[in-house]
Amino acid sequence: GDSVTQMEGPVTLSEEAFLTINCTYTATGYPSLFWYVQYPGEGLQLLLKATKADDKGSNKGFEATYRKETTSFHLEKGSVQVSDSAVYFCALTVPRGAGSYQLTFGKGTKLSVIP
Amino acid sequence: SQTIHQWPATLVQPVGSPLSLECTVEGTSNPNLYWYRQAAGRGLQLLFYSVGIGQISSEVPQNLSASRPQDRQFILSSKKLLLSDSGFYLCAWRGQLNTGELFFGEGSRLTVL
Repeated sequence: GDSVTQMEGPVTLSEEAFLTINCTYTATGYPSLFWYVQYPGEGLQLLLKATKADDKGSNKGFEATYRKETTSFHLEKGSVQVSDSAVYFCALTVPRGAGSYQLTFGKGTKLSVIP
Repeated sequence: SQTIHQWPATLVQPVGSPLSLECTVEGTSNPNLYWYRQAAGRGLQLLFYSVGIGQISSEVPQNLSASRPQDRQFILSSKKLLLSDSGFYLCAWRGQLNTGELFFGEGSRLTVL
């Protein structure tokens, strides 16, 4: 079945450091790929997405490129801020016909940014 | 624009008591709706999803049930709570785009004592 594997946390960085959170996937068909962010005590927010190979999703300084050859969708940010402290989830959807989708999440990576 | 709301935001209940968590979506019709649970230190677990009124699919056998009495209302219930039901419950609806992403509510934190 479909699966998403993301790097285990927690990850602790100093402010202005470079961030990479690795995400790899296995899926049948042609998945769309997503990163969600969950700030403390809140629900999940869609951070960025990419729907086909070589697409780059970007938002709030975060980027991720859909790499079909390596089945990866790593999240990057050049300079993190304290406000980026959150849990990040990698996810994929695969169409299952008749307008239905199978959504699969990774286990989440907790990021803490210290001043 | 579409919005999704959950309540209550926080709930503390004794073991054996009933539960009702409510989720309402506005600004869309006939949405696919989902209930997820996030236990402490764990990922997201899909509990139920619904493609229409009265149509509920359960992903894992458990102490919980779901109902969809109206098009934009999704309710998570239990007759008798267990300690293991504690967690953060998230309702979501699927967007109309053909990429299948979900949009989540604010969450309801349940503590069973």
